Amino acid sequence: SQQGEEDPQALSIQEGENATMNCSYKTSINNLQWYRQNSGRGLVHLILIRSNEREKHSGRLRVTLDTSKKSSSLLITASRAADTASYFCATESGGYNKLIFGAGTRLAVHP
Amino acid sequence: DGGITQSPKYLFRKEGQNVTLSCEQNLNHDAMYWYRQDPGQGLRLIYYSQIVNDFQKGDIAEGYSVSREKKESFPLTVTSAQKNPTAFYLCASSRTRTGAESPLHFGNGTRLTVT
Repeated sequence: SQQGEEDPQALSIQEGENATMNCSYKTSINNLQWYRQNSGRGLVHLILIRSNEREKHSGRLRVTLDTSKKSSSLLITASRAADTASYFCATESGGYNKLIFGAGTRLAVHP
Repeated sequence: DGGITQSPKYLFRKEGQNVTLSCEQNLNHDAMYWYRQDPGQGLRLIYYSQIVNDFQKGDIAEGYSVSREKKESFPLTVTSAQKNPTAFYLCASSRTRTGAESPLHFGNGTRLTVT
């Protein structure tokens, strides 16, 4: 079973609006990562947040982590059409040296 | 530019044939990974390698094989034993041997179609 599950599955917004995606996971983690995937391409790493961090920023991206609720959120502010992509959260799996990915949120930003 | 190269981008095979997907990296990363992605789903780990001449099975290794004879290369063979091989295959690498401690760098994938 997948460790991380994103919500919503799909999100459609207008340029300039903010987009929020959520990720829930089941077991304790050391860190959580967010990735972006453009259609037909590989994934690109966006942010890594460690379990002792609550919030992290990178440009227009803001990630929060709530380990008590086993959840994380990715906020994209002032979205652009170029932000259209699928976004995945990934967590480590029970101490093994591998990441477990959720099914992703498909974001569509309309001009 | 450093990165991961997967080839070919598209691959077509007849059922019953083995096929090998190429993955090369020039990032000097220790660890390499193969993931499979099906439409509308997340990535599932097939195999991973933390060091040359060593590799471990992931969650869906059945019907696949790998080798890691060189640090730069981690080819994946999809054998005829894989029941549903049509998928998008992604290769990745990470600087440290523990993937969860450093980000993964991905290639642009190989789309395999078996008929």
